[in-house]
Amino acid sequence: GQNIDQPTEMTATEGAIVQINCTYQTSGFNGLFWYQQHAGEAPTFLSYNVLDGLEEKGRFSSFLSRSKGYSYLLLKELQMKDSASYLCAVKSFQKLVFGTGTRLLVSP
Amino acid sequence: NAGVTQTPKFRVLKTGQSMTLLCAQDMNHEYMYWYRQDPGMGLRLIHYSVGEGTTAKGEVPDGYNVSRLKKQNFLLGLESAAPSQTSVYFCASSYSVVDSNQPQHFGDGTRLSIL
Repeated sequence: GQNIDQPTEMTATEGAIVQINCTYQTSGFNGLFWYQQHAGEAPTFLSYNVLDGLEEKGRFSSFLSRSKGYSYLLLKELQMKDSASYLCAVKSFQKLVFGTGTRLLVSP
Repeated sequence: NAGVTQTPKFRVLKTGQSMTLLCAQDMNHEYMYWYRQDPGMGLRLIHYSVGEGTTAKGEVPDGYNVSRLKKQNFLLGLESAAPSQTSVYFCASSYSVVDSNQPQHFGDGTRLSIL
């Protein structure tokens, strides 16, 4: 079966750091993607992990542990524009399997 | 710099009507996908295509048909629309290499309401 779990909603303050967790159980694994989706818009690519460890891209970092079926997205120096949904997606053979997304609310 | 273009952006249908959603990409991608997104459900794969002339079922294919007659276009059809098909539909495309880090690129979505 395919199962991807993320928290439904998180809140944080501008300038803070937030970590969004994702756990997965899938029949195949070819990498894990994080997407950002603002309300009413299309998902946009943030990061990709296929090997264990941390990938850093500016204010955003993503971590993967394949043995634990676990990933997290770390957002530093939060800005108001980071208020959005963050989607964890596992690449399983030719397809992406998405979690339900985590809605992040950033307050002043 | 169009990327992935979906038409129409909005549509209201009556139960039983049919319609086709069009997705066009100009990135020469092999793979194309149709998803639906519903509150609390995340993105669910309807159908996908790994190349011109080929299609395959995803997680929720019932009530939908697709065609990929040209590499750049992927059509999603609803033969007899039902209220349960009210949703936001997203098309996406990507390169074909399974182990590639190339992400899927999404269109802006089609908001479809079935009355």
